[in-house]
Amino acid sequence: AQSVTQLDSQVPVFEEAPVELRCNYSSSVSVYLFWYVQYPNQGLQLLLKYLSGSTLVKGINGFEAEFNKSQTSFHLRKPSVHISDTAEYFCAVSELGRRALTFGSGTRLQVQP
Amino acid sequence: EPEVTQTPSHQVTQMGQEVILRCVPISNHLYFYWYRQILGQKVEFLVSFYNNEISEKSEIFDDQFSVERPDGSNFTLKIRSTKLEDSAMYFCASSESGYNEQFFGPGTRLTVL
Repeated sequence: AQSVTQLDSQVPVFEEAPVELRCNYSSSVSVYLFWYVQYPNQGLQLLLKYLSGSTLVKGINGFEAEFNKSQTSFHLRKPSVHISDTAEYFCAVSELGRRALTFGSGTRLQVQP
Repeated sequence: EPEVTQTPSHQVTQMGQEVILRCVPISNHLYFYWYRQILGQKVEFLVSFYNNEISEKSEIFDDQFSVERPDGSNFTLKIRSTKLEDSAMYFCASSESGYNEQFFGPGTRLTVL
């Protein structure tokens, strides 16, 4: 069975600074990878996804992530964050042939002025 | 922009009572899902539904749970006899195809007393 680890439960960062949210996964088969964001009192919104092809994936709101198969990682990055990026970020995987998403425990990004 | 909606936003019930959580998926989507998040824990997959039958379910989804698409627009999750440990945020999601992005609703917070 697959699992997802988000090592950082909270990441405080100043506005306009770069940020990286880490995600590692384990699986015995090929996976699809996703990052979701949850703003207060809202559902989960997809930021980006990796299904195949280029390992560098660009998503909405200026976020990008890089799939590293050898390190089984899918870290999320943004070169310059805004106050409005303050939210909870979830990494998720689904195994090839399955539809269920397995989520990490989430990372709360707190952008300070 | 089409979105997944869920009702109610908050449900309080007594232990042992039956609850039905309702979801309206995006209209042209064919795959439907339920996830839950116990406070402070990860988002967990419960069940996926396609073509009027369960296509995948987790160990959590035992005989106490059932899902139904009673008409062309609603998708429901029923818990027959609620337990204290069923208290959680329940998210409904839908996707156009089985391996596409899952769109999440805002969730229903279930509190079992």
